[in-house]
Amino acid sequence: ETGVTQTPRHLVMGMTNKKSLKCEQHLGHNAMYWYKQSAKKPLELMFVYSLEERVENNSVPSRFSPECPNSSHLFLHLHTLQPEDSALYLCASSQEGATGHGYTFGSGTRLTVV
Amino acid sequence: AQSVAQPEDQVNVAEGNPLTVKCTYSVSGNPYLFWYVQYPNRGLQFLLKYITGDNLVKGSYGFEAEFNKSQTSFHLKKPSALVSDSALYFCAVRVLMDTGRRALTFGSGTRLQVQP
Repeated sequence: ETGVTQTPRHLVMGMTNKKSLKCEQHLGHNAMYWYKQSAKKPLELMFVYSLEERVENNSVPSRFSPECPNSSHLFLHLHTLQPEDSALYLCASSQEGATGHGYTFGSGTRLTVV
Repeated sequence: AQSVAQPEDQVNVAEGNPLTVKCTYSVSGNPYLFWYVQYPNRGLQFLLKYITGDNLVKGSYGFEAEFNKSQTSFHLKKPSALVSDSALYFCAVRVLMDTGRRALTFGSGTRLQVQP
């Protein structure tokens, strides 16, 4: 395990459902991220939280709503999604301020919207 | 725009042969460059990074990467490929966002297939 845990691993939801993705890190990092991974496309940065404050929102549709209640937990709330939102959603964490910091990723949640 | 490009969707190599996975970057200033690997049904795992110093960077599992400033490239290499190296490889660069924060931006990935 990497120290970043994502649940659930797989999720199938209808377009009218509401669900949430959860990410938890035990690395003492102070920044957390949501990325979307679609086949043959670059990873898309969705949201960045630094010290529990949202600092980036890369033009993500409002049907995706992030929440960071503390530095160890990050959620992605989903509602009225579209089939094109089906993808692997990856959470990552890092220690902001550390020179050349890399990210530690979770295993992702495979989301299928039907 | 600040970005990285991975020109090859897939690279095929025979086991025991050397491998190269290509990456070029476009950023202002000195780049911080990374390589990550993704195995099936897993997240991305850190392989190596270039921040400053020696242009040849050594990383995990026998991989290395060469930073070439004149060609703006950061190709991933391994002298002798293993079947177990078959995976999806991502190049990344740290970029400056509009907010003044920094974040990693990734390429589209290159699938490495090592044949026995």
